[in-house]
Amino acid sequence: DAMVIQNPRYQVTQFGKPVTLSCSQTLNHNVMYWYQQKSSQAPKLLFHYYDKDFNNEADTPDNFQSRRPNTSFCFLDIRSPGLGDAAMYLCATSRDYSNQPQHFGDGTRLSIL
Amino acid sequence: GENVEQHPSTLSVQEGDSAVIKCTYSDSASNYFPWYKQELGKGPQLIIDIRSNVGEKKDQRIAVTLNKTAKHFSLHITETQPEDSAVYFCARRSDAGNMLTFGGGTRLMVKP
Repeated sequence: DAMVIQNPRYQVTQFGKPVTLSCSQTLNHNVMYWYQQKSSQAPKLLFHYYDKDFNNEADTPDNFQSRRPNTSFCFLDIRSPGLGDAAMYLCATSRDYSNQPQHFGDGTRLSIL
Repeated sequence: GENVEQHPSTLSVQEGDSAVIKCTYSDSASNYFPWYKQELGKGPQLIIDIRSNVGEKKDQRIAVTLNKTAKHFSLHITETQPEDSAVYFCARRSDAGNMLTFGGGTRLMVKP
């Protein structure tokens, strides 16, 4: 059974039109992560939460935001998507930061028209 | 720094042969080293991990070796099967950094 669930699996939006991607987890993990993965590249960390404590990576674009309303759910909001934001977006969780494995969802592939 | 170099970028083997992927890192404080397998259209799946107090770990056909002095760790897959075909990512983390740093990935193709 899937433990990190991302919806939708595929999302198409128009240039500049806000879009929200969602992630839910059944593991009750403290930490949730959002990664961006472009074709043939490694995942790139955008931000992460320890519970409700938000941490932004220094080079995450300003039009990317995130919300974590409760332990189970986390959202990625892209305010004004550009063509360069087309990518796979991966959500992951871990129990905490101390060398615990990260468990990934199957991602949302975002296309920009 | 926290860079991770992964080689080779592509690897093609015949079914039944062994495959070896190697990663080197620069941060001597690194103490956790996971390996992920990513199939087409799916998220990365953890297949094996090793902590710095261990030199080798094995799980059926998969093994990981760690050389802390030389700062490299390797994934070994024996008796490869077509379903092993995927992109494999190594990663590392230290207590100070908290976050994973990934290698660039290796596309493994197992020919039947």
